[in-house]
Amino acid sequence: GQQLNQSPQSMFIQEGEDVSMNCTSSSIFNTWLWYKQEPGEGPVLLIALYKAGELTSNGRLTAQFGITRKDSFLNISASIPSDVGIYFCAGQSSARQLTFGSGTQLTVLP
Amino acid sequence: GAVVSQHPSRVICKSGTSVKIECRSLDFQATTMFWYRQFPKKSLMLMATSNEGSKATYEQGVEKDKFLINHASLTLSTLTVTSAHPEDSSFYICSARDGFTGTGRDQPQHFGDGTRLSIL
Repeated sequence: GQQLNQSPQSMFIQEGEDVSMNCTSSSIFNTWLWYKQEPGEGPVLLIALYKAGELTSNGRLTAQFGITRKDSFLNISASIPSDVGIYFCAGQSSARQLTFGSGTQLTVLP
Repeated sequence: GAVVSQHPSRVICKSGTSVKIECRSLDFQATTMFWYRQFPKKSLMLMATSNEGSKATYEQGVEKDKFLINHASLTLSTLTVTSAHPEDSSFYICSARDGFTGTGRDQPQHFGDGTRLSIL
């Protein structure tokens, strides 16, 4: 089946620093999505990417859909304490099912 | 917009009990809803795809008789964990996608807040 490799697994950064995480896949996806999950809650959609090469921003977040359609990255600029959580990438196939990455646990130190 | 409500948020019950979890799309119609299971510090694993008015499609290894799914309307899907046992304890999350808003792009999945199921 399809697998997504997400890295890094965890990050500890100082408030104000920039963050970068990425996902790679063994197969092509039509859509890449980035979600954030906080403890005891469901994932919240951050950014959706629909075209290879697309670069999209949402406030301090920027994500790109790789040209090969097998990868995506998410950048967070000037991190703040409320950025803490688990970030998941997800690839959507033509069947509209999502395959999730393993997640990146982000900790922001004051 | 795109709010998905999941209820209950937490269930604690005895082994052998059947538990029903509801997933509602509040401000859009969802022809398709999805049910996931998440173990601590792990990613979301798709259990089944719930299609309005038809049978759910289960992922390999998911027992359809154990996890009954009903999607009777465009805004409601239910997951019933039948005769639950301690190994069924987990965080169950539903998602829904708007199948009707025409933007020329696939609508992304929006998630409920999950249900923490604990079987004693």
